Amino acid sequence: DQQVKQNSPSLSVQEGRISILNCDYTNSMFDYFLWYKKYPAEGPTFLISISSIKDKNEDGRFTVFLNKSAKHLSLHIVPSQPGDSAVYFCAASVLGGNNRLAFGKGNQVVVIP
Amino acid sequence: KAGVTQTPRYLIKTRGQQVTLSCSPISGHRSVSWYQQTPGQGLQFLFEYFSETQRNKGNFPGRFSGRQFSNSRSEMNVSTLELGDSALYLCASSLTGKNIQYFGAGTRLSVL
Repeated sequence: DQQVKQNSPSLSVQEGRISILNCDYTNSMFDYFLWYKKYPAEGPTFLISISSIKDKNEDGRFTVFLNKSAKHLSLHIVPSQPGDSAVYFCAASVLGGNNRLAFGKGNQVVVIP
Repeated sequence: KAGVTQTPRYLIKTRGQQVTLSCSPISGHRSVSWYQQTPGQGLQFLFEYFSETQRNKGNFPGRFSGRQFSNSRSEMNVSTLELGDSALYLCASSLTGKNIQYFGAGTRLSVL
């Protein structure tokens, strides 16, 4: 049972424009959410996270929005750069010592120069 | 600070064999988790070790096992390999009480 879902497996965006990635979850126990970026032949790299007590977290060009009632989060990348071309994974966990991350299947982002 | 190190990077085995993968966490990180990534199932949690004890376990058969040493280094073992075990195996470490996990580059296992 896929508890974290990422639809629209791939996204192409022009350099300088906004990339928006969406993620839905089904388990209401999840209270901590993370986004990872993955290049081929490398492990996932942590990008940004948000806890359920917040609805927005910003770090440079990356902003994550959380809508708890809809069980939905999104990642905004502004402006998109060619180096952002990668697979992006949404992950969720339950805080409090539980390090078990549930991942979505990922979104391929291609930034066109 | 060195990142998470996984060895070997690539491995080819045949059905029925067993394999051991190794993971050295970031210095100071005591929690080590293992994940399997396949094209069909995505990234799936295998197990987590903390202070040499398995703290969480995913939904994988008993052929998949692991252990952690006193220096927090971890190994995972897969016995009686099946073709479907071909995957990228990722190890991640985290600081005590923190949910951000930092991943190694993975071990690509091919079972022929």
